[in-house]
Amino acid sequence: SQQGEEDPQALSIQEGENATMNCSYKTSINNLQWYRQNSGRGLVHLILIRSNEREKHSGRLRVTLDTSKKSSSLLITASRAADTASYFCATDRSFQKLVFGTGTRLLVSP
Amino acid sequence: DTEVTQTPKHLVMGMTNKKSLKCEQHMGHRAMYWYKQKAKKPPELMFVYSYEKLSINESVPSRFSPECPNSSLLNLHLHALQPEDSALYLCASSPTPALAKNIQYFGAGTRLSVL
Repeated sequence: SQQGEEDPQALSIQEGENATMNCSYKTSINNLQWYRQNSGRGLVHLILIRSNEREKHSGRLRVTLDTSKKSSSLLITASRAADTASYFCATDRSFQKLVFGTGTRLLVSP
Repeated sequence: DTEVTQTPKHLVMGMTNKKSLKCEQHMGHRAMYWYKQKAKKPPELMFVYSYEKLSINESVPSRFSPECPNSSLLNLHLHALQPEDSALYLCASSPTPALAKNIQYFGAGTRLSVL
């Protein structure tokens, strides 16, 4: 079964706006990762946040983690059309297994 | 080189055919993975190879048979598939099997259609 549930399922914004997507999970984790997938392609790793971290930045990306609420959020600032993709959170359910959330489909219109 | 290469990109096969998917990485990674992804769904783990040995099989039907001939190469042999097996098959690798510090690098996938 899936570890993470993401919302919203789909998000449509204009270029320049910020996009926020949320991920909730069920069990304890070592870290949480975010991946991007362009339509029908492979996934690309964006950022990893460890369970003892609360916030992390990478370029236009900001990730927060609240282990007490078992939730994470990904903020993309100043969105561009090229950010159009599906975004998945992923948690390490066990030593070797990475379990992906349901995903958020982001559409950024010019 | 941070690339995972999957071939073929597209594959159409009948239910009686035997075919193979190939995945290659030259990053020195010692863990390799097969995922299955249906449309608008997240990837689902199928198999994990750790140091060329099968370490996880997620109760995948025997019509899917993985093989890891060496540390750079991962195959998925397909036989007697069903139409519901049509999906995007993704290969990934990571430096070691320990996920506590690792990220996974994905190939572009093989789009499989079973007729």
